[in-house]
Amino acid sequence: EDKVVQSPLSLVVHEGDTVTLNCSYEVTNFRSLLWYKQEKKAPTFLFMLTSSGIEKKSGRLSSILDKKELSSILNITATQTGDSAIYLCAAVPYGGSQGNLIFGKGTKLSVKP
Amino acid sequence: ETGVTQTPRHLVMGMTNKKSLKCEQHLGHNAMYWYKQSAKKPLELMFVYNFKEQTENNSVPSRFSPECPNSSHLFLHLHTLQPEDSALYLCASSQPRDRLSSDEQFFGPGTRLTVL
Repeated sequence: EDKVVQSPLSLVVHEGDTVTLNCSYEVTNFRSLLWYKQEKKAPTFLFMLTSSGIEKKSGRLSSILDKKELSSILNITATQTGDSAIYLCAAVPYGGSQGNLIFGKGTKLSVKP
Repeated sequence: ETGVTQTPRHLVMGMTNKKSLKCEQHLGHNAMYWYKQSAKKPLELMFVYNFKEQTENNSVPSRFSPECPNSSHLFLHLHTLQPEDSALYLCASSQPRDRLSSDEQFFGPGTRLTVL
C-alpha cells in the first residue's frame, strides 16, 4: 500500500532557528512529490519535486528530493512566527486516477518569538 | 483569497439534516476534488471529477453525494451524517493530468463541518 510518512509530527522552535522537515514515501511508480503549507485554511503550494538532487528554493524555504532514499526534506532558515503552520508532503504516482495525491499526516511547526 | 472558493466556511448540522457544500474555481481547471481532513490523519481523497465526469470514488459512504454541473462548480450533498463525519472538507482543482505541472492542486479554504 502506498504511503507517506512525515517527521517529526510536531516541532517547536524559536525565531531565527533553522528547521528541517522530513518526508519519506513508499509509492509504486513514483512521479513527483509536493510540499504544501497549511495555516488555518487552504493548503498553499510550495514546491513540486521530480528530479533527485536538484534543490528548489523560494526565499528562506528550500527542498530537495532523494529518490535513492525515497525521501525529501524541507528546510526553513531564519524562521519567523509567520512560518508557523502544518507542512504537508504528498507523493504522486504514475498511473491510477487523476488527482491521486498520497498525503502524509503533516508536520506542525510552531515558531515562538 | 485563492482561486478556489468554498461556502459555507463553517457548518453545524444534526444527523437528520440535509445540507450542501459548494466549491467554485476561477482558474480554468478541468479537474476538481473533494478531500476530508480529520485531526491527526492524512488528507483523504473522497471524489475526483475530470471534465465533469466522476473518475474516482474512494469508498465514500453514500451519505456523501457529489455533484459537478460544470468544470467550475462542485457540490457535496450531505444527508444523515454521523458525528465521526465532523472534519474539514477541502475542495481542490487542477489541470488535467497529461501535463507534469498538473500534479499541483489548488485548494480552497475548506468548510469546517460539525455533526451533532
